[in-house]
Amino acid sequence: GAVVSQHPSRVICKSGTSVKIECRSLDFQATTMFWYRQFPKKSLMLMATSNEGSKATYEQGVEKDKFLINHASLTLSTLTVTSAHPEDSSFYICSARLPGTPNEQFFGPGTRLTVL
Amino acid sequence: AQSVAQPEDQVNVAEGNPLTVKCTYSVSGNPYLFWYVQYPNRGLQFLLKYITGDNLVKGSYGFEAEFNKSQTSFHLKKPSALVSDSALYFCAVRDGKSSGDKLTFGTGTRLAVRP
Repeated sequence: GAVVSQHPSRVICKSGTSVKIECRSLDFQATTMFWYRQFPKKSLMLMATSNEGSKATYEQGVEKDKFLINHASLTLSTLTVTSAHPEDSSFYICSARLPGTPNEQFFGPGTRLTVL
Repeated sequence: AQSVAQPEDQVNVAEGNPLTVKCTYSVSGNPYLFWYVQYPNRGLQFLLKYITGDNLVKGSYGFEAEFNKSQTSFHLKKPSALVSDSALYFCAVRDGKSSGDKLTFGTGTRLAVRP
């Protein structure tokens, strides 16, 4: 149980286009999901906390107009990188919190974004 | 503020030997501590956690970690390393005093187990 999926696993896009990444909790409902960014050989940086039915909470320094987060249902959160640039190239990982277990997050397999 | 330090970028060990991956933390309240493992181009897999109770925590794949409050450490250990343990390991902390879920991750330690 507690499986989180991400789609796509890998995406290559041209500079200036927008890219949407989906994060789904497959066998549980997640009121809270998290989006992380991981740079090569670096740790995970929390970008935002996605709450179902309300606005996402962004971490300091993360542009909310650049990284649009929508948590429209209890099993789906999306991250849209708008007007992508090469510096947005990164590995994006989502996680979901299992209800009733505030101390556990289950992570998706990640999405490798390359902006040309 | 909460923080995690993993002082070693890489740990090298021979198969069959014991391994230790170090982690120290800083939180204002009680620490909730986690270890995750990441294989290339994959997300994180949960290994184990300490919330309360026994200081020695046993987790997946034969890993264990010891919570040491006086040294603010939570080192990951395994008695006998396998080549398949080679991966990137992350320590994470959450402040138990905080009502949020925010995890702070260390910079990761790459474990290389040679045959």
